[in-house]
Order: sequence, then C-alpha cells, then structure tokens
Amino acid sequence: KNQVEQSPQSLIILEGKNCTLQCNYTVSPFSNLRWYKQDTGRGPVSLTIMTFSENTKSNGRYTATLDADTKQSSLHITASQLSDSASYICVVSDGFQKLVFGTGTRLLVSP
Amino acid sequence: GAGVSQSPSNKVTEKGKDVELRCDPISGHTALYWYRQRLGQGLEFLIYFQGNSAPDKSGLPSDRFSAERTGESVSTLTIQRTQQEDSAVYLCASSPDRATTDTQYFGPGTRLTVL
Repeated sequence: KNQVEQSPQSLIILEGKNCTLQCNYTVSPFSNLRWYKQDTGRGPVSLTIMTFSENTKSNGRYTATLDADTKQSSLHITASQLSDSASYICVVSDGFQKLVFGTGTRLLVSP
Repeated sequence: GAGVSQSPSNKVTEKGKDVELRCDPISGHTALYWYRQRLGQGLEFLIYFQGNSAPDKSGLPSDRFSAERTGESVSTLTIQRTQQEDSAVYLCASSPDRATTDTQYFGPGTRLTVL
C-alpha cells in the first residue's frame, strides 16, 4: 500500500534552534518528493521538490534530503523563527496519477 | 501574478442544504485538484482534472459530491444534502501540467461548517 509517514507528529522548539522532520514512504514507483509548509488557515506552500537523482535541496533556512534507497526524507530547519510555526507536509508522487500525502508534522517555535 | 483563488472563504450552512464551492486556478494551468482537510487531519484527495481528459473522481466520498471544470478554467465543487461530517476546509490546487510532476499551487481554501 502506498503510504507516507511523518514523524514526529508534533514538535516544540525554542526560537533560534534547529530541528529535523522525518518522512518515510512506500510509494512505488517513485517520481518525486515534495515538502510543503501550511500555515494555520492557509493552503500549503511548496518548499522543495526533489527527484530520484537529487540528494539534497535547500530553500533558504530549509534543507531537504532524500535517500531513495531507504525511502526516507528529512526536512532540516536552521535557526528557527517564530514564523516557522506551521504544519510541514511530505508528499510523494509516482509521476503518473498519484500524490500521496503525509499527515504532517505540526511545529511550534516558542520565543 | 494572481495565485489560486477560492470562494467563498467561509461557508456556514444547515444540514441538508446544497453548497457550491468555487476555484479559480492560475491561468494556463491544466491540472486542478480538490482536497478536503478535516480539523487536525491531513489532506484527503477528492477529484483531479487534467486538461480535457476525463476527471479522476476516485476520491469523492459519496455521490453527494460532484465537481465540474470548464475547459482549463474555473472549477466548482458541489456538495448536495450536506451532512455535519462534511465540515472541513476544502482546498483547490493547480499545476502547469501534470500535478504528479509539477509543483502544485494551493488556494487559501473554503472553510465549510455544516450545522
């Protein structure tokens, strides 16, 4: 069954600290993996999209990694800011018909 | 340029009434998705339009749900005889081509509350 699992479910960190969110998937075939940020009351916004051949991709303070062999991805947030408080969603595509969504990690950055 | 827009932003209705939600995708985007997101839950796929192909309706939860899209422009999601469990945020997303290979751009959503 195609699944995307994210951990932790929720996370609280202090402003300025780093954190890493995890995503494991079983989607096959694999085309690409995306990370989205969803602020409360808003639609998701794309942070990164990585294909099979890409191991890492950065977008400002956000760095995503991909290990297609172990089917794992991580999203690392550096020097967190209060505005990073949001849900982070991992989405895996098979390139044809399916986008499989994780349920997200809810991050709270505390002052 | 303009992003994906949805209307209304909020809709409160009584159980049993019909509602119609609207999505205006980014101009030129051929792919359009509808999702449902219940409070504290992940995104649930509802329906997918790709150009002039027959839509993928496999995510629609019941025959009370239907959606239409005129060409590559506006889409409407209709929920008939609404139930309380239909309360959720309904999100629309569009992509330049196939959503499975292109980035999706999401609208702000319509928050539906069924009393």
